[in-house]
Amino acid sequence: GNSVTQMEGPVTLSEEAFLTINCTYTATGYPSLFWYVQYPGEGLQLLLKATKADDKGSNKGFEATYRKETTSFHLEKGSVQVSDSAVYFCALSDDKIIFGKGTRLHILP
Amino acid sequence: DAEITQSPRHKITETGRQVTLACHQTWNHNNMFWYRQDLGHGLRLIHYSYGVQDTNKGEVSDGYSVSRSNTEDLPLTLESAASSQTSVYFCASSPLAGGAYNEQFFGPGTRLTVL
Repeated sequence: GNSVTQMEGPVTLSEEAFLTINCTYTATGYPSLFWYVQYPGEGLQLLLKATKADDKGSNKGFEATYRKETTSFHLEKGSVQVSDSAVYFCALSDDKIIFGKGTRLHILP
Repeated sequence: DAEITQSPRHKITETGRQVTLACHQTWNHNNMFWYRQDLGHGLRLIHYSYGVQDTNKGEVSDGYSVSRSNTEDLPLTLESAASSQTSVYFCASSPLAGGAYNEQFFGPGTRLTVL
């Protein structure tokens, strides 16, 4: 069946550091791929998405590219801020959405 | 503005009691979902619905039930609460199943403690 694997956290970085959170997937079809973010005490909200191979999703300085050849959708940001501290979920969808287990990110000032 | 709300936000109950968590959305979305979030497990799907009178089991449906009598609401019932059901519960909705338009919109969550 379909599945999502993302790097375990927590990930701790200093402000202005470069961020990569790895995500790989297994799917039989051609799913859409998502990154969701969960800030403390809140529900998940969509950060970015890509619907076909080689698409790049971007939002708030974050980017991820749908790589069919490596079945990956890694999240990157060039310069993180303290306000980016949150839990990040990679997800795929063909019929229902399947979420990874989440990666907690701590940004130190 | 359209939104999705959950109530209560916090609930403490005792083992064996029936508990109902409410979820209400004003987007007129066809699809609604219930998840539980536990440390080390991420989000796990409990039940989902693709429209009025439609309900389906997710991966962790034992001990839970839902009913969909209108588009806006999908209440989640714990028939006989157990300590293993202590968790944070999230409701979500989306406009269409499949394809590129299946972004889900999440409620703020309900923290349930079963003593």
